[in-house]
Amino acid sequence: AQSVSQHNHHVILSEAASLELGCNYSYGGTVNLFWYVQYPGQHLQLLLKYFSGDPLVKGIKGFEAEFIKSKFSFNLRKPSVQWSDTAEYFCAVNWRGSTSGTYKYIFGTGTRLKVLA
Amino acid sequence: DVKVTQSSRYLVKRTGEKVFLECVQDMDHENMFWYRQDPGLGLRLIYFSYDVKMKEKGDIPEGYSVSREKKERFSLILESASTNQTSMYLCASTLGRMTGYQETQYFGPGTRLLVL
Repeated sequence: AQSVSQHNHHVILSEAASLELGCNYSYGGTVNLFWYVQYPGQHLQLLLKYFSGDPLVKGIKGFEAEFIKSKFSFNLRKPSVQWSDTAEYFCAVNWRGSTSGTYKYIFGTGTRLKVLA
Repeated sequence: DVKVTQSSRYLVKRTGEKVFLECVQDMDHENMFWYRQDPGLGLRLIYFSYDVKMKEKGDIPEGYSVSREKKERFSLILESASTNQTSMYLCASTLGRMTGYQETQYFGPGTRLLVL
C-alpha cells in the first residue's frame, strides 16, 4: 500500500531555532503535495502545496517546503520558529487514481511541534 | 471563506448505540470526506463522496456507513458503536470532482466521540 512517512513524531525547539520536518512518500507516479497545520483547538488548515513548477514552495507564516522528486520527499522548513508555531503538522500526498475521476489522498501520521518561549 | 461545520464537538455514546455525525459545507463543494484522527496514526479516510448519493470506501470503512442526500450535507453513521471507534472524526470538502486531485481540503472542527 502507498504511504506517507513523517519520521519526527515530536519535536521541541526553542524560539528562533530553525525547523525542518521530514516527509517521504512511496507512490512512484505524479503527485501533488501538501502540508497542513492544526493549531491547538483549531481546524486543520493548509500551510502550503505543490503541484508543479518551482520545487521550492512558499507558504503562510514564513514556511517553505522543497520537493525533491528523486528522494520522494517534501520537507517543511522555517528558518526561525516562534512560540505561535506550536502545532501539529501533517504532510499529505495525492494523485489521480486508476479509475476515472477518482483520486487518492493520503496523510502522514503528523509531527507535534512544541516551541519553547 | 469555506465553512465546514460538524453537528457536535463532543459526543458520548454507549456500546451498541447507533451514532450519527453530521457535516455541512456552505460553498457548493462537490467532494466531501470523513476521516478519523488518532494519535500516532494521523488521518485515515473512512468514506468520501463526489456527488449526491454517490460514495466510495476509503481505507477503513468497516463499521461505518455514510449518506449524502443533499450536496451540502454528508453524514457518517456508526451502525453499532464500539469502543474501538472512540476517536476524533473530521469532515472535509473540496471544490470539484475533476480537479479534486489538486485541491485543498477544507476541514471542519472535528467531533470527539467517546464510546463507553
